[in-house]
Amino acid sequence: DIQMTQSPSSLSASVGDRVTITCRASQGISNSLAWYQQKPGKAPKLLLYAASRLESGVPSRFSGSGSGTDYTLTISSLQPEDFATYYCQQYYSTLWTFGQGTKVEIK
Amino acid sequence: EVQLVETGGGLIQPGGSLRLSCAASGFTVSSNYMSWVRQAPGKGLEWVSVIYSGGSTYYADSVKGRFTISRDNSKNTLYLQMNSLRAEDTAVYYCARAIDRIGLDYWGQGTLVTVSS
Repeated sequence: DIQMTQSPSSLSASVGDRVTITCRASQGISNSLAWYQQKPGKAPKLLLYAASRLESGVPSRFSGSGSGTDYTLTISSLQPEDFATYYCQQYYSTLWTFGQGTKVEIK
Repeated sequence: EVQLVETGGGLIQPGGSLRLSCAASGFTVSSNYMSWVRQAPGKGLEWVSVIYSGGSTYYADSVKGRFTISRDNSKNTLYLQMNSLRAEDTAVYYCARAIDRIGLDYWGQGTLVTVSS
């Protein structure tokens, strides 16, 4: 199985900060990566797919990059509604896997 | 409008069985990949299973041999049959639509399964 390792597991940031979350796969996944946002008590929401493509309706302050085994999610200017937990997920193999999550908290 | 509604969760003793249902509207289940994802209390997301539009099925190692994903095309409904349940299967179970090479674009609200004596 492909293991996905996110870092950091949590971070504190202020409104307006630039935030970067990293996701590393245990083997190359050819950009077959999605990012999700989850708020407490709610289902996850798809933000980006194919590593860098923005899902319809998602604000442009979210962006993704990477290749091979290493990928990043960047929030260019953190907004109050962005405080949440973020997960990466690979769909390269037939057995999909999520990262362990990164909780973005208010500083 | 796409909607997914899960039902069937509840309290079940270890070793027991439970079947979750996910009723879909706004799209055709059989024409899409459909997946189950779970989240233990206070923990992260764990992918459980997927059924492709062609009918192929895949499972996480943690549930393989115990869980079965299926669909009823006439009811436009996805199922997860869970057997030999363990305490570590306690979680909120979400069904989600999966788009090939995109990910899980629509999710249900989740249904809680608690395995405890």
